[in-house]
Amino acid sequence: DVKVTQSSRYLVKRTGEKVFLECVQDMDHENMFWYRQDPGLGLRLIYFSYDVKMKEKGDIPEGYSVSREKKERFSLILESASTNQTSMYLCASRSGGNYGYTFGSGTRLTVV
Amino acid sequence: AQSVTQLGSHVSVSEGALVLLRCNYSSSVPPYLFWYVQYPNQGLQLLLKYTTGATLVKGINGFEAEFKKSETSFHLTKPSAHMSDAAEYFCAVRVPGATNKLIFGTGTLLAVQP
Repeated sequence: DVKVTQSSRYLVKRTGEKVFLECVQDMDHENMFWYRQDPGLGLRLIYFSYDVKMKEKGDIPEGYSVSREKKERFSLILESASTNQTSMYLCASRSGGNYGYTFGSGTRLTVV
Repeated sequence: AQSVTQLGSHVSVSEGALVLLRCNYSSSVPPYLFWYVQYPNQGLQLLLKYTTGATLVKGINGFEAEFKKSETSFHLTKPSAHMSDAAEYFCAVRVPGATNKLIFGTGTLLAVQP
């Protein structure tokens, strides 16, 4: 089975800190995605990548950036964390021929 | 533009009762539709998907969904609820393009009462 691994389940960071959320997939998938999940809002797409060093903004990219230096790794960066970025962050990947996503277990980030 | 509406943010059923979770979509092209389930403190797991062909799709854990083009619906059903079905369920529609990104609904939290 495809595995998508997010490096941390829970993180607590201070306002203004630079935060890195890491995601690694083990099935050579081309496409990777970062979503944030908030109660009542469902999943909202932050950024996605369809190839190494390629990235596209999703619906809510403000305050975030991403990095994809290797095919298997897709990092989400909060340049200066703010309390309104407290959320559950979910990473997903998919291959070109498969329409479904595989999700990681999520990182619950709290910014204090 | 593609969008998804899930009617009912919370649904409660008794164990053994029918589960019906509603999803309506909007799509400018033939849709690909998905249902995902999320158990507490976990990521999302694919339940089932409709791409082409048979409109009644069977998934894992006894769930199924029927694509009804005339009603722009893709409701999720299960004949008999089990306590282990308590989770949050998300409907999603594909956005056509190179990456086939998904647009998700806001989710329905299913509670199963003993």
